[in-house]
Amino acid sequence: DTAVSQTPKYLVTQMGNDKSIKCEQNLGHDTMYWYKQDSKKFLKIMFSYNNKELIINETVPNRFSPKSPDKAHLNLHINSLELGDSAVYFCASSLPLVDTGELFFGEGSRLTVL
Amino acid sequence: QKEVEQNSGPLSVPEGAIASLNCTYSDRVSQSFFWYRQYSGKSPELIMSIYSNGDKEDGRFTAQLNKASQYVSLLIRDSQPSDSATYLCAVQTSGTYKYIFGTGTRLKVLA
Repeated sequence: DTAVSQTPKYLVTQMGNDKSIKCEQNLGHDTMYWYKQDSKKFLKIMFSYNNKELIINETVPNRFSPKSPDKAHLNLHINSLELGDSAVYFCASSLPLVDTGELFFGEGSRLTVL
Repeated sequence: QKEVEQNSGPLSVPEGAIASLNCTYSDRVSQSFFWYRQYSGKSPELIMSIYSNGDKEDGRFTAQLNKASQYVSLLIRDSQPSDSATYLCAVQTSGTYKYIFGTGTRLKVLA
C-alpha cells in the first residue's frame, strides 16, 4: 500500500492552462503539505493543512489554491500556468509535532509548462 | 542569508571512505533537525533525525548537532556507491509545522 500517493505523476501543458494535482495519504496523519522542488533541487514549502485547516500559506501566487476536503486528502489547483511553474510538486504528511516530526513524501508530480 | 545552507557539491568520496555533509541554519529557535536522502527522480526519505546537542548514531550514519554554532552534520562511514544521492538538511522550528530545507548536497561515492 502506498502511504502518500499523488496523481498525476507527470503533467505537460501549455501556458495559461489550469491544472490540478491530487494527494491522498493512508497513514492517519493530521498534517499535510505541498512542497515545490525546482530544477536546483530546492524544496520550498507552499502550503500546509492540519486536519483540514490551513496553517501555512507561504508567499505563493494566488493562482495556486490548495483544498483539503478531509484530513486524508490535499489537492492543489493551479490557474493560468506560467513557465516558472515548471517543477516537481511533492505532497507530504506528518504526525503531530509531539511525535517524530518525520515528513512522509509522495512520489512527486512533475509539471512541465510549455 | 538563506535560512538553511548546504554546500551543493558534488562531494566525491572513494568507496569505503567517510563522507561528511554539513549544514548551517540561521534561526536560533530551531529545535528539530533532519537529514533526508533523495535519489535522482525519487522523493526524499528520512535517514536521520536529531533533537539535542551531540552525536546520534544509526548504523553507518552519524548525525551531529551543535546548537551554539547552529550547525548540523551527517557522517556516512564506509560509503557505498548506493549512497550516491542528494542529501537534504531540514530544520523545524519549535511549535510550528514549518520544515525549512537546504538546497542539498550531491554526494558521489566512487567505486
